[in-house]
Amino acid sequence: QSALTQPPSASGSPGQSVTISCTGTANDIGGFNYVSWYQLRPDKVPRLIIYDVFKRPSGVPDRFSGSKSGNTASLTVSGLKTEDEGDYFCCSFAGSNKFGVFFGGGTRLTVL
Amino acid sequence: QVYLQQRGAGLLKPLETLSLTCDIYGGSLNDYYWTWIRQSPTKGLEWIGEIHHFGSTNYNPSLTSRVSISIDRSRKYFSLQLTAVTAADTAMYYCGTFDKATYYIDFWGQGTQVTVSS
Repeated sequence: QSALTQPPSASGSPGQSVTISCTGTANDIGGFNYVSWYQLRPDKVPRLIIYDVFKRPSGVPDRFSGSKSGNTASLTVSGLKTEDEGDYFCCSFAGSNKFGVFFGGGTRLTVL
Repeated sequence: QVYLQQRGAGLLKPLETLSLTCDIYGGSLNDYYWTWIRQSPTKGLEWIGEIHHFGSTNYNPSLTSRVSISIDRSRKYFSLQLTAVTAADTAMYYCGTFDKATYYIDFWGQGTQVTVSS
């Protein structure tokens, strides 16, 4: 059982927007702005999409955006493209007195 | 830009020791912590542990009795060892750079599928 809760699937048509949620607790997501998101696709190296809740690494399109409200973080993909298909995982600092990070269970994004 | 290249055996028998290495290209060892993560259908993504370039380590409490991460500064690689593997350790294993300031993995290795089967 994952420490962070994500919906197992999400979908949208090309050009549409989709938002993926990630729910934790006040001890992780709610207590720190250390949320990151990753894209995993078959035969591709995993890719950092968002860090520090909303920041994008260089090279990541601004179609990807992140936010947080309370204990829930969200990833929004706007202007969906077929290349956005894949699995998206959220991640949070595990909290004070703990080491490392927790991940969500992952959301399979399908572009219809 | 950091490029990570993984190597190591992908098929193990129960109770054997998993041994993977991650070669570091580009960047400086001093810029990051270095981490191992695995992904399995049952547990999803799981943080295994981290190592500082000076050698200090932190491990996932659920694995700490069996896991060891080491680093070779001169040859620019870091390694994972996991002893007494079982089928539950079957997973895709990734190495990565770990930004310890705000806890994210910005560069990843290509992944190594490790299967434990008798």
